[in-house]
Formats: sequence, C-alpha cells, structure tokens
Amino acid sequence: TQLLEQSPQFLSIQEGENLTVYCNSSSVFSSLQWYRQEPGEGPVLLVTVVTGGEVKKLKRLTFQFGDARKDSSLHITAAQPGDTGLYLCAGERVDDQGGKLIFGQGTELSVKP
Amino acid sequence: DTEVTQTPKHLVMGMTNKKSLKCEQHMGHRAMYWYKQKAKKPPELMFVYSYEKLSINESVPSRFSPECPNSSLLNLHLHALQPEDSALYLCASSHPLAGTKGEQFFGPGTRLTVL
Repeated sequence: TQLLEQSPQFLSIQEGENLTVYCNSSSVFSSLQWYRQEPGEGPVLLVTVVTGGEVKKLKRLTFQFGDARKDSSLHITAAQPGDTGLYLCAGERVDDQGGKLIFGQGTELSVKP
Repeated sequence: DTEVTQTPKHLVMGMTNKKSLKCEQHMGHRAMYWYKQKAKKPPELMFVYSYEKLSINESVPSRFSPECPNSSLLNLHLHALQPEDSALYLCASSHPLAGTKGEQFFGPGTRLTVL
C-alpha cells in the first residue's frame, strides 16, 4: 500500500506548456516537502508546506497544501527544458514523529525544446 | 553552510571488498539518515541517527553497518555486498526538534556499483 500516491509518474511536454503534479494520501501530514532531483544527484528541497490551504510560489512553480493536509499539488507554468528532472513529494505524518519521511513514487518530467 | 557532502562520488567494489561511504554536515543538525535509491524510484530509508544514536534500522542486511562518530559525521561501512546492492546511496540531515517542519537536506549521493 502506497501511503502517498503521486501522479502522473511520467510526463513529457513541450517547452511553454503548463503542468500539474499531484500527491494524495488518506493520512494527515504535519508537513510536506517537494524535491527536484537530477540524474546522479541528490534531491534538492524546493519548498515545505505546513498549513492546510497554504499556497507557496517559487518563480514559475506554485505549491499547494490541501485544507485537510492530506494532499498537495505542484503546478509549473510555461515549463522550460531546465525543469526536466524527477519531482518527489515527501511528508512527515502527524502520527509518526520518528523522523521518517514518506515519499511519493516520483514524477519523471521531460520538457522538450 | 547549508550543504551535506558525501564521499566518494563513485565507488566500484567487488563482492569480497570492504569499503566505507562518508557523509558530513555542518548545519548543526542532530538527525542524520542513510537512504538507498534505485534509478527513477524514490529514496528508501535505511537508517536514522538521532543525537548520535541509532533510532531506526529499516531491517537492513548486516552487510551494511552504519556509524555516527559525532554530530557532523555519518559513515556507512560496506562488506560482502551483492550486485543488487548497486544503487545511489544518499545521506540526509535534519533538525529533529518538533516544529522544524520535518525538512531533510540531502547530499549529492555516492553511486555504488558492486561487481
């Protein structure tokens, strides 16, 4: 059973298109992180959301945390080839304070020029 | 300094070799982690150290042996590995206190190949 369902798993789009990645769970999270990872490198933290309904923007990236803190989305506007990579959502469940992050399966994004 | 460093970047070893992976952070974090990651998959947690003590072992085979010599350093000792252990090994750190949002900061990883 996957505790954090991330979709889509693969996305191939043209430069300039918009896209949204979703992470959904039946569990409540105290916080949720989004990471971006390039091949052969470690995940880089993009943002952390902690408050239900929170929206954070990072240039062309918009992150949202669901009101019930069970889901999150990442929206990229006017995607560029430099956005290509593996996007991972990860969160800490409220009933698990042991430091374990639950990861989604990842979204492999390819933006073609 | 907001960086987690890992050495070596790449490691090739035979099944009879003994090697070690090293991780270092100077952010004052008191929790450190080892993850294993296969291509295009999410990281899988192996070990967690909190205040230099092992707090989580995710049923990892004994051929992997973690060590936390001090609050800034984390090692992973490898012995008699199998080819299926080939993967990217990631170290991460975080501030373990409540209210610090559970953020983990990852190093660049060690690409391990077992022949």
